[in-house]
Amino acid sequence: DTGVSQNPRHKITKRGQNVTFRCDPISEHNRLYWYRQTLGQGPEFLTYFQNEAQLEKSRLLSDRFSAERPKGSFSTLEIQRTEQGDSAMYLCASSSLIYEQYFGPGTRLTVT
Amino acid sequence: AQKITQTQPGMFVQEKEAVTLDCTYDTSDPSYGLFWYKQPSSGEMIFLIYQGSYDQQNATEGRYSLNFQKARKSANLVISASQLGDSAMYFCAMREGITGGGNKLTFGTGTQLKVEL
Repeated sequence: DTGVSQNPRHKITKRGQNVTFRCDPISEHNRLYWYRQTLGQGPEFLTYFQNEAQLEKSRLLSDRFSAERPKGSFSTLEIQRTEQGDSAMYLCASSSLIYEQYFGPGTRLTVT
Repeated sequence: AQKITQTQPGMFVQEKEAVTLDCTYDTSDPSYGLFWYKQPSSGEMIFLIYQGSYDQQNATEGRYSLNFQKARKSANLVISASQLGDSAMYFCAMREGITGGGNKLTFGTGTQLKVEL
């Protein structure tokens, strides 16, 4: 299966710690997106890459969040000094066309 | 203002029956796309169907069809012949614009569908 993969699938961390998530998109997709989904809500857009360029960032992406996509392949999302409010499902999606975004299984973050 | 509104937090349908999940949207952009995704309890978002704002015909994909009423700004999902495996959360989403970085999706709050025997 060559779908979008995300690691880790689950992460439990203590408040104040840094965490990093990885997303491997579908290989021929040049666009990559990060979303955050809290309980009972739909996903909310965080940021978007076209190849290695980060083209858009949501206001939800505070200074503690940073995302990279070196060489236009996989992407990482880092959260520094985690807070309990960061607890959520972090979803990655990729696309090659303007139509369909294919999502990965997500990384569920719990901050204690 | 909500851009995507899903007014049904939960829906029940009997197996083999059809069900309609409601979605209304709000945009001033003449070019947009509407999507439906399914999210089972495992968490992965599964793409179901897409409708472009300029498409003349309603989109269909197997048992899924999208009832697109542009003047009313609604994009309801119709699932025919429901199966137990259809039980999941369903999200309506919109993409505004067709070029550049305007590819982000805006999601509604979802409808939890339960298919019963």
